Amino acid sequence: DTAVSQTPKYLVTQMGNDKSIKCEQNLGHDTMYWYKQDSKKFLKIMFSYNNKELIINETVPNRFSPKSPDKAHLNLHINSLELGDSAVYFCASSRGSYNSPLHFGNGTRLTVT
Amino acid sequence: KNEVEQSPQNLTAQEGEFITINCSYSVGISALHWLQQHPGGGIVSLFMLSSGKKKHGRLIATINIQEKHSSLHITASHPRDSAVYICAAQWAGTASKLTFGTGTRLQVTL
Repeated sequence: DTAVSQTPKYLVTQMGNDKSIKCEQNLGHDTMYWYKQDSKKFLKIMFSYNNKELIINETVPNRFSPKSPDKAHLNLHINSLELGDSAVYFCASSRGSYNSPLHFGNGTRLTVT
Repeated sequence: KNEVEQSPQNLTAQEGEFITINCSYSVGISALHWLQQHPGGGIVSLFMLSSGKKKHGRLIATINIQEKHSSLHITASHPRDSAVYICAAQWAGTASKLTFGTGTRLQVTL
């Protein structure tokens, strides 16, 4: 059973398009995250939700909009894609907001051409 | 500014060697995480610690709060340990916002 699953695994699209990445966890965790990993493998938090409520919103262009329909799902919608959005996006979850191990999805490699 | 520094950036070892990866951070963390990312890309949480030492199989993680330093050790290294190891610090009051180190790419050869 996959604990944190995200789809699609690969996403290739043209500049200007709108795309979504979906994430679901079956661990019963309260907190979910989106991380971006750049070409140098550096990870950075984008968003965090706790029980469907946004608790972390880093300096991310407002073309990126997270949506949490319930605490098991956190989707990421990206409008007007740009070349610089190309990266690997990881979804993760944890039991609480503080001092809990993270469980990561397998990542979505987004390529914008 | 909350910063995390990791060393070395790259590490090559022969099978069986004892490996140490270091992580230093600025004051006031509430927890330090060690993550492993295999060439296939998936990320696995290895340890989360706020004091002392934790052990899981051949992996040992230690943290020294006074020196603001954590180490990840791998005993009897094996080629399957080849991966990128990432430390991440969580500061008190930052609601699970982790700041990541730049990662250590480990290659274990036969």
